[in-house]
Amino acid sequence: GAGVSQSPSNKVTEKGKDVELRCDPISGHTALYWYRQSLGQGLEFLIYFQGNSAPDKSGLPSDRFSAERTGGSVSTLTIQRTQQEDSAVYLCASRKTGGSSYEQYFGPGTRLTVT
Amino acid sequence: GENVEQHPSTLSVQEGDSAVIKCTYSDSASNYFPWYKQELGKRPQLIIDIRSNVGEKKDQRIAVTLNKTAKHFSLHITETQPEDSAVYFCAAGQGAQKLVFGQGTRLTINP
Repeated sequence: GAGVSQSPSNKVTEKGKDVELRCDPISGHTALYWYRQSLGQGLEFLIYFQGNSAPDKSGLPSDRFSAERTGGSVSTLTIQRTQQEDSAVYLCASRKTGGSSYEQYFGPGTRLTVT
Repeated sequence: GENVEQHPSTLSVQEGDSAVIKCTYSDSASNYFPWYKQELGKRPQLIIDIRSNVGEKKDQRIAVTLNKTAKHFSLHITETQPEDSAVYFCAAGQGAQKLVFGQGTRLTINP
């Protein structure tokens, strides 16, 4: 079946502009996570959704970052007034709840470059 | 909060030899410890995971061990092959919650 998909795959934006990153989880996966991976670094947690609610937003770096999820499916991560330090690969993952597995399935990521 | 340390940052081994990557975690409430493999330009993929009620798990050439008392867990790859070359990440979490990742280990298998 289809895996997690993300769009766009690459985004180049000017400093100060707003960007929206999209994540389509695996069908039926109710849990959705956003992570950020800077060059040569590990993955940094941003936010976690269970259905449409976000019980853990502790990783969002500043109030310029926000995310929403509608219909228990697609999620959008929005970064306002982008800064150069926002440049990174933004990864989305989804997980099927109710089963015995905790595995998070990752999407291919969106590479964001802020010039 | 949870903090995960991973060592070494780079590891180079001869094909056919074994590779070991080690991680420590700080939060005793963590009960889920996955290992992900990330090839260049690709998404992270789960290769093996272990829960805190198990001390060791093996899947063919890959094994993970967990020491809850010492708060450390390790990935063991035996009979390494060129396709094992990648970046490996350990992580710790509490069940369905967020994962906290280590900084990664770049593993190179030399033919």
